[in-house]
Amino acid sequence: QSVLTQPPSASGTPGQRVTISCSGSSSNIGTNTVNWYQQLPGTAPKLLIYRNDQRPSGVPDRFSGSKSGTSASLAISGLQSEDEADYYCAGWDDSLNGWVFGGGTKLTVL
Amino acid sequence: EVQLVESGGGLVQPGGSLRLSCAASGFTFSTFGMNWVRQAPGKGLEWISYISSSRSTINYADSVKGRFTISRDNAKNSLYLQMNSLRAEDTAVYYCARDVRETSSWRVDYWGQGTLVTVSS
Repeated sequence: QSVLTQPPSASGTPGQRVTISCSGSSSNIGTNTVNWYQQLPGTAPKLLIYRNDQRPSGVPDRFSGSKSGTSASLAISGLQSEDEADYYCAGWDDSLNGWVFGGGTKLTVL
Repeated sequence: EVQLVESGGGLVQPGGSLRLSCAASGFTFSTFGMNWVRQAPGKGLEWISYISSSRSTINYADSVKGRFTISRDNAKNSLYLQMNSLRAEDTAVYYCARDVRETSSWRVDYWGQGTLVTVSS
């Protein structure tokens, strides 16, 4: 059971906008910033969003993040076939003194 | 270019030990905290340990506390994970990952390609 809760799957057609939710608690998302990772099949995770809504250099602006209270969300607009991947939210947990991750959301582009 | 290269994975029997290494390059290793994160086959990401740049802070997940030991050698730009009393549920790809702690922004930014550890008789 993951500390952060994500839907196991999401889907959309090319060009659509999809959102992935991430729910936590006061000891993690409620207090600290949220990061999002993209993991393409057979590869290591890649930082997609940090500090709730910031994109590292090279990440397309189709990807955006937001946070409110103890929840966060990742939005992907103009969906493309290469966006098909697993997406994870993460944050530091002050009670556990460690990084916590969501269970991951598998995005399928139909 | 930041590079993290893990090594040392393999097949080990239950109860056995293994030492993972992570060679870092492309950044000033001694100024960054580091993590080990694992991923069981077909499962999600699980953080297991963190070590600060100066080794003054070390944290472990409950699942590995008392069995795993994280360490680093800043002179060799290397991170290690000593794994003892291994169990079948420790089977996973183990990633080393860089930790960034800025005001109002903590993140794990770069990840290695991972090394597979299989615990089986």
